[in-house]
Amino acid sequence: QVQLVQSGGELKKPGASVKVSCKASGYTFGSYGLIWVRQAPGQGLEWMGWISGYNGNANYVRKFQGRVTMTIDTSTTTAYMELGNLRSDDTAVYYCARDAGKEWLRIDYWGQGTLVTVSS
Amino acid sequence: EIVMTQSPATLSVSPGERATLSCRASQSVGGNLAWYQQKPGQAPRLLISAAATRATGIPARFSGSGSGTEFTLTINSLQSEDVAIYYCQQYNEWPPLFGQGTKVEIK
Repeated sequence: QVQLVQSGGELKKPGASVKVSCKASGYTFGSYGLIWVRQAPGQGLEWMGWISGYNGNANYVRKFQGRVTMTIDTSTTTAYMELGNLRSDDTAVYYCARDAGKEWLRIDYWGQGTLVTVSS
Repeated sequence: EIVMTQSPATLSVSPGERATLSCRASQSVGGNLAWYQQKPGQAPRLLISAAATRATGIPARFSGSGSGTEFTLTINSLQSEDVAIYYCQQYNEWPPLFGQGTKVEIK
């Protein structure tokens, strides 16, 4: 079965960077992309970007361009999301998710989420 | 970008009654609309894709309809385990934004 297992929670200071990992299993990694979505406390879902599991090409939502980097490691079937220059309003649960193949902008499986807390 | 607007923000429904959730797109998304359910403390999960196709394992009391700019999620015979926030999302074009969510409560 498809599984997306994310790294544990992080506590970071303002201005620092955080790198969250997402280990994928149960499917052919290169046949699907991975999506990153975040959710601030008590707020809705916010799309951050998408990365191809085949070649690592990434598209980022404009709001995060210049501050986010998404990468993959095909040898370990792991995706990474690094967010830099953290601010307090980056405190959120960060989810990785798998796209639906041909419908690459739709999500069919979600990871469990990683809480990133930004505080001095 | 296409803005997704959900209504109402909160819906209180008695057990066994029907819940009707709305999602409106600022421009046509065709049938490229998904619904996700997020229960308290959990990650979201896919309920419906292509506006009306239930995902694997989703009970038949959940149904979706609509096309273009107007979409509806209906929960027939609401059960206590359906308490959650429901999000719509268009996947017709980039960026594939979510609506702000509708919280479904038991009356």
